[in-house]
Amino acid sequence: EVQLVESGGGVVQPGGSLRLACAASGFTFSSNWMSWVRQAPGKGLMWVSLINTDGSVTKYADSVKGRFTISRDNAKNMLFLQMNSLRAEDTAVYYCGRGGIDYWGQGTLVTVSS
Amino acid sequence: EVVLTQSPVSLPVTLGQPASISCRSSQSLVSSDGSTYLLWFQQRPGQSPRRLIYKISNRDSGVPDRFSGSGSGTDFTLKISRVEAEDVGVYYCMQGTHWPFTFGQGTRLEI
Repeated sequence: EVQLVESGGGVVQPGGSLRLACAASGFTFSSNWMSWVRQAPGKGLMWVSLINTDGSVTKYADSVKGRFTISRDNAKNMLFLQMNSLRAEDTAVYYCGRGGIDYWGQGTLVTVSS
Repeated sequence: EVVLTQSPVSLPVTLGQPASISCRSSQSLVSSDGSTYLLWFQQRPGQSPRRLIYKISNRDSGVPDRFSGSGSGTDFTLKISRVEAEDVGVYYCMQGTHWPFTFGQGTRLEI
């Protein structure tokens, strides 16, 4: 059974940093592109970033480019999102997803507030 | 950035009756490889999104056959042949042809 479990969310002050993690199981992680998608409270979905199978290709939404970094550890079946210089508008539930996206995690809430 | 516009925003339906959601794109979603990466997702209250349809009309495993997708180019439709109570939620179209991938604003289906 495919499982994606996010962790690392929490409350952080504006300008702070957080590192989200996503533990994958039930499929060949190293053969799949992976993504992060977020959903602000009561709002719609926004694609944040994606990464190819070996990490050599990464893409970012303009609103996070230069502040967020996606990475992966294929040996440990882990996906990461390093988030720096956080802003109030980054407050959202962050989901990790496989490919485009046929499986989603349960999400982890990031709240940026002073 | 490709803008996807869904209509209606809210869709009141009666159990057992059909429902239809439109998704229009600001530009063609036909990829250079000839495929059209238009997808549909369902998000039930309090849950993560779930993919229903990929590449316009292909149903994901486990998705009831009352859900169907159609369209081409810039104009797409999700249809539910007979709405059931478990279909309540928000439906999103999404394009994966042009980066950044984008979602429609969502359509709330209400019984």
